[in-house]
Amino acid sequence: NAGVTQTPKFQVLKTGQSMTLQCAQDMNHNSMYWYRQDPGMGLRLIYYSASEGTTDKGEVPNGYNVSRLNKREFSLRLESAAPSQTSVYFCASSEAVEREQYFGPGTRLTVT
Amino acid sequence: LAKTTQPISMDSYEGQEVNITCSHNNIATNDYITWYQQFPSQGPRFIIQGYKTKVTNEVASLFIPADRKSSTLSLPRVSLSDTAVYYCLVGDEYPRGGSYIPTFGRGTSLIVHP
Repeated sequence: NAGVTQTPKFQVLKTGQSMTLQCAQDMNHNSMYWYRQDPGMGLRLIYYSASEGTTDKGEVPNGYNVSRLNKREFSLRLESAAPSQTSVYFCASSEAVEREQYFGPGTRLTVT
Repeated sequence: LAKTTQPISMDSYEGQEVNITCSHNNIATNDYITWYQQFPSQGPRFIIQGYKTKVTNEVASLFIPADRKSSTLSLPRVSLSDTAVYYCLVGDEYPRGGSYIPTFGRGTSLIVHP
């Protein structure tokens, strides 16, 4: 039981490049989330998926897109990376949106 | 947006009880209150969740007064390994859906001294 896994762990992009961050959970959770965390800051919600087949914007969705591929997987895409997107990205899942969340180890992204 | 307010930092000593209070004046009727712990370079880890009154588990207690406008996380007999950032999380009702949108506060950095 791996919990929540994220790939890659580290990534360096040049401005304008695109990439997709992958997230998978093996706990049969309905809800999944993407957060970003900047140095010394709390977590800010980018997008979430309350259940398979639905996605919705969080606090900071601009510059990102998401896909809930199936119940297990929720990906985050940066179409044209900007230095302001340099951050640590965390994926999380929960049984339902009001229940406790389980977090992945994070992806450290640097955009130069 | 429902907003939470926590102290930015706290200091304690090994063996002491630590109480961290979170204010959430705009909490919605159906919102839960959840606390997480985060160590450097790791994702947050769930500590405890409650709706009202008191909840206790093997690591912490959560006290919620009747008006639910605040909550207090209590860590009994802290050790050096409890040095971490603690986040209070409440639901946030966005206009379009009225669904539960998790919103983390800025967190409280707890430092436990020997």
